[in-house]
Amino acid sequence: DVQLLESGGGLIPPGESLRLSCEAFKFSFGSYGMNWVRQAPGKGLEWVSGISSGANNAYYANFAKGRFIISRDNSKNTLYLQMNSLRPEDTALYYCAKDEDYGGLRGEAFDIWGQGTMVTVSS
Amino acid sequence: QSVLTQPPSMSAAAGQKVTISCSGSRSNIENNHVSWYQQFPGTAPKLLIYETSKRPSGIPDRFSGSKSGSSATLAITGLQTGDEADYYCATWDRSLSGTVFGAGTKVTVL
Repeated sequence: DVQLLESGGGLIPPGESLRLSCEAFKFSFGSYGMNWVRQAPGKGLEWVSGISSGANNAYYANFAKGRFIISRDNSKNTLYLQMNSLRPEDTALYYCAKDEDYGGLRGEAFDIWGQGTMVTVSS
Repeated sequence: QSVLTQPPSMSAAAGQKVTISCSGSRSNIENNHVSWYQQFPGTAPKLLIYETSKRPSGIPDRFSGSKSGSSATLAITGLQTGDEADYYCATWDRSLSGTVFGAGTKVTVL
């Protein structure tokens, strides 16, 4: 089945760094834009970052600019999110999500979602 | 505070219709396609509507989407108890150069 599998979450002290990974299965990963979306406990969905299919373009939410870096390795069918200078307010379940549009990153619809990896920022 | 505005909650009796609004602006909804997601507690969101009014394979035609100007709407007809969930709208925002989500609407079936 088409699937996204996130990993790398955990409990991390404020100010530290963490790298999330998302491995894709059973679709042409290199042909689609990919995204990270987070959800704080009991809160709504919040887009974090997106990257085009060929990694030529990357976009970030304001809170992520300068702290987070999105990247991808199409040879490994894997998406990454490097998170630096983590804050307690970054505590959330982080989902990776596939852009619905073939060939780029339109950012209008996400048709495949992983189950998420939990990041808890606390001392 | 979300860029897209949704009502926090809506309710209707089983078998009835509920319409969820999503209000935005010229930089997002008015000039881009809208998507809608359904999320049950403890599970990942599921795409219900893309390109404003299209349904992915497997989504029943009880779910429909539309747009007028800078507002979009998700309609659910023939409401079922299994439709009790949180619903989110989303689109691309040209000013922010990013995807924006509404805060979500919790639907309750009476």
